[in-house]
Amino acid sequence: DVKVTQSSRYLVKRTGEKVFLECVQDMDHENMFWYRQDPGLGLRLIYFSYDVKMKEKGDIPEGYSVSREKKERFSLILESASTNQTSMYLCASRDPQGAHYGYTFGSGTRLTVV
Amino acid sequence: KQEVTQIPAALSVPEGENLVLNCSFTDSAIYNLQWFRQDPGKGLTSLLLIQSSQREQTSGRLNASLDKSSGRSTLYIAASQPGDSATYLCAVDTGGGNKLTFGTGTQLKVEL
Repeated sequence: DVKVTQSSRYLVKRTGEKVFLECVQDMDHENMFWYRQDPGLGLRLIYFSYDVKMKEKGDIPEGYSVSREKKERFSLILESASTNQTSMYLCASRDPQGAHYGYTFGSGTRLTVV
Repeated sequence: KQEVTQIPAALSVPEGENLVLNCSFTDSAIYNLQWFRQDPGKGLTSLLLIQSSQREQTSGRLNASLDKSSGRSTLYIAASQPGDSATYLCAVDTGGGNKLTFGTGTQLKVEL
């Protein structure tokens, strides 16, 4: 089975800090995604990447950037963390060539900005 | 813009009951629909994926159906167990794999 690993389950950061959220998948998937999940708002797409060094903005990219230097790793960067970025962050990957075509999610990172 | 609605928002049933969760979407031009399970504070676990050309998929006690023309999907859970308690999310893919729109979920509680 595909495994998507997010490096931290819980993070507490201070306002203004630069924050890195890391995601690694072990099945050579081309597509990777970052979502945030908030009560009442559901899951919203921040950024996605369809290949190494390629990235596309999702629905709510403001305040975030991403990096994909290697196929297996997709990093989400909060340039200057703010309290409204307190949320659950979920990474996912997908193989567009595979028979399944579905998404596999990581276990999430709960980020609190104080 | 695709909108996905899940009804009911919350459901409580006694153990052993068969139940149906509903998902509706406004744009029938979808590539596939996926059902997920989410336990409190955890990530999403994929349950079933239905391609746009398929009518249903089954996995164990779970059966998901898709009626693209009417914009509906159902997730049927047979003989529910307390371990089935979780939030169930449906998501439709309208962007060829790069655009997944989620419903807000149905929170299920199965009581002893």
